[in-house]
Amino acid sequence: AQKITQTQPGMFVQEKEAVTLDCTYDTSDPSYGLFWYKQPSSGEMIFLIYQGSYDQQNATEGRYSLNFQKARKSANLVISASQLGDSAMYFCAMRVNTGGFKTIFGAGTRLFVKA
Amino acid sequence: DTEVTQTPKHLVMGMTNKKSLKCEQHMGHRAMYWYKQKAKKPPELMFVYSYEKLSINESVPSRFSPECPNSSLLNLHLHALQPEDSALYLCASSEGLAGGPLGNTQYFGPGTRLTVL
Repeated sequence: AQKITQTQPGMFVQEKEAVTLDCTYDTSDPSYGLFWYKQPSSGEMIFLIYQGSYDQQNATEGRYSLNFQKARKSANLVISASQLGDSAMYFCAMRVNTGGFKTIFGAGTRLFVKA
Repeated sequence: DTEVTQTPKHLVMGMTNKKSLKCEQHMGHRAMYWYKQKAKKPPELMFVYSYEKLSINESVPSRFSPECPNSSLLNLHLHALQPEDSALYLCASSEGLAGGPLGNTQYFGPGTRLTVL
């Protein structure tokens, strides 16, 4: 069965510092995609970054990078130079290419950026 | 442009009412999704449409009725809802159901906050 685990319910980070949000996953499917989404209090889910299971390099998008360790089945999100606007809920998600191409989400991590 | 729009933003309805949620995208995406999200929980998949045909129904009660009238529009018809159906309803779209990052990535709308009295 596919599963996404985010073990940090809440995280605090000082403005301008880097922060790592943890995500581990479990699947027996060799082909899958990993995503991170940001959800501010307004409710919209904002796509941040994607990593494919066959990608050799870690994905990066501006201040976001995904630390992909396939053997450990982890896909941690690193946010560099945190900003106050980064305060939000962050969801890790996985999509497997079998079983109907469903996307499953982790429980989320609430990030608080302190001034 | 990666915009998915949803109307209304907020909806309050009684248990005997009939209402509809609307979702629209003009990115040429051929897969569209409905999710339900309760407070402080991750989104839960309800329905998936691919090329305007229902592809996945996650055993959702029949009081929720999806409709995809064309490739840009997705509706969710609501009838005889229960208070426990109060939630944020999110619509999403992706290029398709399969493929690499472009096909896989789902783009979400801002959601409709539904309250059932």
